[in-house]
Amino acid sequence: DIVMTQSPLSLSVTPGEPASISCKSSQSLLHSNGYHYLDWYLQKPGQSPQLLIYLGSNRASGVPDRFSGSGSGTDFTLKISRVEAEDVGVYYCMQVLQTPRVTFGPGTKVDIK
Amino acid sequence: QLQLLASGPGLVEPSETLSLTCSVSGGSMISSNYHWGWIRQPPGKGLEWIASVSYSGNTYCKSSLQSRVTMSIDTSEQHFSLRLSSVTAADTAVYYCARHESAGSFYYWGQGTLVTVSP
Repeated sequence: DIVMTQSPLSLSVTPGEPASISCKSSQSLLHSNGYHYLDWYLQKPGQSPQLLIYLGSNRASGVPDRFSGSGSGTDFTLKISRVEAEDVGVYYCMQVLQTPRVTFGPGTKVDIK
Repeated sequence: QLQLLASGPGLVEPSETLSLTCSVSGGSMISSNYHWGWIRQPPGKGLEWIASVSYSGNTYCKSSLQSRVTMSIDTSEQHFSLRLSSVTAADTAVYYCARHESAGSFYYWGQGTLVTVSP
C-alpha cells in the first residue's frame, strides 16, 4: 500500500497571509498518462470532506483560485495564496494512483490566528 | 445533482456485524466510469478508506479489513451497502459513502453516519 505523510500536522495562519502544506507519498504517483494521481480535500468543521484539487494541480468545480496544487513524483504541495476565515479545517492529501484502493494522508489542521 | 445518503443502526454491540446502506439519487449508478466507496473517520481522527464496489459488483477492500468486509450494490434500487463483521470499539466512527470519479477522486460525498460500538 502507498503510505502518505503530511507536514505540518497543524498550522495557524493570519488572514490574508499565504499557507502551504506538504504531502509526500511512499512511491511515485506519476501515471503512465503523465498525470500525477494526487488529490487534496478540505474537511470543514462538522462537514463531509470536499474535493479541492485533483490530478495534482486541477481545481475542482467551484474551488476559489487562491487554492493551488503542485508537485511531482512523491512530493506535492497545496498552497493557499491568501487565507480566509472560511478556509479553516483539516486538509487531507489522498493518492488515487491505485484507485479504487486509495490512501489518505494524516491531515493538516489549519486555524486562524 | 447527485446525492448520497448513508444510513445505519447508530449503535452496534461488540462482536456483532455493522450494516450500512448508501442511497443514491439524482443520477444513475450504472456506469463503468464510477466506483462507490465507504470511508470512515473515528472521533477526532483522520479519514480511512474502507472499501469500494463497481456497478457490476467488483469489490475492493483495504487489506487490513478484507477479512471482515462485505460490499454489495443494487443498481436497480440505487443503493450500495457495507457489512463489517466482528466489530470492536475501534470500529466506532463516522462512516461516509462517496462516489469515485473516473480518476479516483471523491467528488460526491454523503453526510456521514455515526456508528458507535458499545455493549
